[in-house]
Amino acid sequence: EAQVTQNPRYLITVTGKKLTVTCSQNMNHEYMSWYRQDPGLGLRQIYYSMNVEVTDKGDVPEGYKVSRKEKRNFPLILESPSPNQTSLYFCASSFGQTGNEKLFFGSGTQLSVL
Amino acid sequence: AQSVTQLGSHVSVSEGALVLLRCNYSSSVPPYLFWYVQYPNQGLQLLLKYTSAATLVKGINGFEAEFKKSETSFHLTKPSAHMSDAAEYFCAVTNTGGFKTIFGAGTRLFVKA
Repeated sequence: EAQVTQNPRYLITVTGKKLTVTCSQNMNHEYMSWYRQDPGLGLRQIYYSMNVEVTDKGDVPEGYKVSRKEKRNFPLILESPSPNQTSLYFCASSFGQTGNEKLFFGSGTQLSVL
Repeated sequence: AQSVTQLGSHVSVSEGALVLLRCNYSSSVPPYLFWYVQYPNQGLQLLLKYTSAATLVKGINGFEAEFKKSETSFHLTKPSAHMSDAAEYFCAVTNTGGFKTIFGAGTRLFVKA
């Protein structure tokens, strides 16, 4: 089954404790992206990747890191989480780079930073 | 910079009534436009997309949207609401080159019995 898999589904942590949210897709997609969803703000792009070893900042990259060492994986790293990073996070992927391809979304990771 | 505005954070309709969710975009060139739906505790899934082949786009579950360049709008409609349509709907635009998708703030649709 074609899917984007995120883990964990829920995560509670404390300020400053490094964490990683994993994202994996099995569709051989070139493009992958991370979003955060906050009430009233919709989805905002954190980072995206056009292919292996090619990443770039989205609209809200501060406090986050990503890497794309393999085509299928695109982990999101919070080196020193803060309470304002409490949010619902989504990973998404798509086939190409024309802009017309639909995004496939993971089920989301609800992160709470205390 | 591109932007997307969804008018109304909440819309409530009765079952069987017309659904109209509004979306306006700002773009200097014709963009790629999408509507996504998010059911509770799930990720987003594509409802429909505008590809410039036709201004009226039909999607899944009886939804459709009309691209109006003169009004820079891409409103989503469904003739008759069903209880299962209750969800949050997001309008989105992708720039040329395709690396940046901008989402609207979302409109939560409530369907009353």
